[in-house]
Amino acid sequence: DGGITQSPKYLFRKEGQNVTLSCEQNLNHDAMYWYRQDPGQGLRLIYYSQIVNDFQKGDIAEGYSVSREKKESFPLTVTSAQKNPTAFYLCASGLAGGFYEQFFGPGTRLTVL
Amino acid sequence: AQSVTQLGSHVSVSEGALVLLRCNYSSSVPPYLFWYVQYPNQGLQLLLKYTTGATLVKGINGFEAEFKKSETSFHLTKPSAHMSDAAEYFCAVSESGGSNYKLTFGKGTLLTVNP
Repeated sequence: DGGITQSPKYLFRKEGQNVTLSCEQNLNHDAMYWYRQDPGQGLRLIYYSQIVNDFQKGDIAEGYSVSREKKESFPLTVTSAQKNPTAFYLCASGLAGGFYEQFFGPGTRLTVL
Repeated sequence: AQSVTQLGSHVSVSEGALVLLRCNYSSSVPPYLFWYVQYPNQGLQLLLKYTTGATLVKGINGFEAEFKKSETSFHLTKPSAHMSDAAEYFCAVSESGGSNYKLTFGKGTLLTVNP
């Protein structure tokens, strides 16, 4: 089945530790996106990538980093510089080069203790 | 930059009643508009989208939305609510910067359906 997988579903980390969230898609999409969701805030764009080896900052990139070495994968690292990392993180993918819909993974809930 | 306003962070209806979720957008160019649904602790699922052409768009699960350019609105409706419709709904508008395309989301409307 084609789709987007995010792992793990729940993640706990101690304050000050970096953590990497996985996102993999087998939809053959060029574009991939990372969002952060907080209650009452909607979805806020962290980073996005339209093609392998290239990515752009979204609206709230500070304290986060990404890589796009393969078309299928777009991992997100939450660094210790992110002041309030506890949130629900959503990965999405879609066709590039136009106003296409995005397809979402099931999300990872990160809790920093 | 585009923006999306969803009026009402929480809407409550009775089972069988009309569902109306409001979405207004700002866009300097003809917009592409989307409605997504999210069930608790899950990702988002596309309900429907407006690109060009017919302004009344039909989606999954009996939902539809009408694009009204003069009102810059894209409200979501369903004639008769079902318990399974209880979820959070997000309106989104597309925007581009050069060759980069992305979506801007509203803050969401939580729909509660009462028996």
